[in-house]
Amino acid sequence: KAGVTQTPRYLIKTRGQQVTLSCSPISGHRSVSWYQQTPGQGLQFLFEYFSETQRNKGNFPGRFSGRQFSNSRSEMNVSTLELGDSALYLCASSLVGGGRDYGYTFGSGTRLTVV
Amino acid sequence: DAKTTQPNSMESNEEEPVHLPCNHSTISGTDYIHWYRQLPSQGPEYVIHGLTSNVNNRMASLAIAEDRKSSTLILHRATLRDAAVYYCILKGGSQGNLIFGKGTKLSVKP
Repeated sequence: KAGVTQTPRYLIKTRGQQVTLSCSPISGHRSVSWYQQTPGQGLQFLFEYFSETQRNKGNFPGRFSGRQFSNSRSEMNVSTLELGDSALYLCASSLVGGGRDYGYTFGSGTRLTVV
Repeated sequence: DAKTTQPNSMESNEEEPVHLPCNHSTISGTDYIHWYRQLPSQGPEYVIHGLTSNVNNRMASLAIAEDRKSSTLILHRATLRDAAVYYCILKGGSQGNLIFGKGTKLSVKP
């Protein structure tokens, strides 16, 4: 089956611009999470969406936002880009239900460079 | 969120078993233990997870201490493709999120 698809793979933006990243989860996965990975801070949790609602949120400024559509696809938006936003942005999807815990499947990420 | 402690790096020989340790002394009763690995230039890959009992799958085994304050990821026969950073993560319940630490960088020698 198809994995988690993130588009675009690479992106170069200028400071002050805004950017939208897209994530298509595995079919049937209704939870989508976003992570930022940088060499200095490692992997950091941004937020999680489930059934079009933000369920958890990490410690990032309000410039970082997201949403989830009825088909579980998710988008992440960063406004007023700063140089420090340059990172690999990863999306992960998971099954939810039955009070069970499931593993996450990650996409290959979007490499964002802010210049 | 509860924290985990892992060695920064470990080395293994190809085709030998590898035991990757993880300490999580502040684990709570509802925390699940997850393991992921990340190869260079790729997103993390799910390896295994468990709550209280030892778990096995096609990739690895997870041995959880009886008091749940530590766990060990076991790769039964290391291959060169197993060289990666391995993350041990505590996930707060079925609705929690993953909090990554720095992980253990595993090197596999031929």
